[in-house]
Amino acid sequence: QKEVEQNSGPLSVPEGAIASLNCTYSDRGSQSFFWYRQYSGKSPELIMSIYSNGDKEDGRFTAQLNKASQYVSLLIRDSQPSDSATYLCAVTETSYDKVIFGPGTSLSVIP
Amino acid sequence: DAGVTQSPTHLIKTRGQHVTLRCSPISGHKSVSWYQQVLGQGPQFIFQYYEKEERGRGNFPDRFSARQFPNYSSELNVNALLLGDSALYLCASSSAGGYYGYTFGSGTRLTVV
Repeated sequence: QKEVEQNSGPLSVPEGAIASLNCTYSDRGSQSFFWYRQYSGKSPELIMSIYSNGDKEDGRFTAQLNKASQYVSLLIRDSQPSDSATYLCAVTETSYDKVIFGPGTSLSVIP
Repeated sequence: DAGVTQSPTHLIKTRGQHVTLRCSPISGHKSVSWYQQVLGQGPQFIFQYYEKEERGRGNFPDRFSARQFPNYSSELNVNALLLGDSALYLCASSSAGGYYGYTFGSGTRLTVV
């Protein structure tokens, strides 16, 4: 059974700090990797996608991918209280027909 | 341009009943996927449809079924409801499968009593 695991939370960081979220996956053939943000009571929202090894930056967010280690991470710089949410790591199975989500990591940014 | 539309938003059903959930994808998107999210957990894959054909099925019992219509809208049906079926049901829209990621609808909150 293909799996996606995330670091257990909840994670609390002070406002302005860097939040680091980690994810590992089991399917070596996975080609697409995503981070979704989900506010309480809302549906997930795609915030980052990454397809090749290395870093991808978008504003305060940086996604990092290491396929050899089967590891994906998300860094949030200058964390804001509005970043408080659950962050879901998601990975496509080899066939692209199915996206597997991790259990999520809850992030709280303390003013 | 409308996003992903799901209906109803909330509903309460009794054990043993049947439920139908509906989803309209983003205009131009031909793929719809269904997920179940239990409180405190990540979304669990139920089905994916592309061009009206089932492309993937998750580890759910046969009580769960779905279909996609010529206009690419989709229905998720659940028979013989159990208390454990209480969850947020999410519809995800994409142009083709999961490669580029999904846009989710706001979900249907199902409570089984």
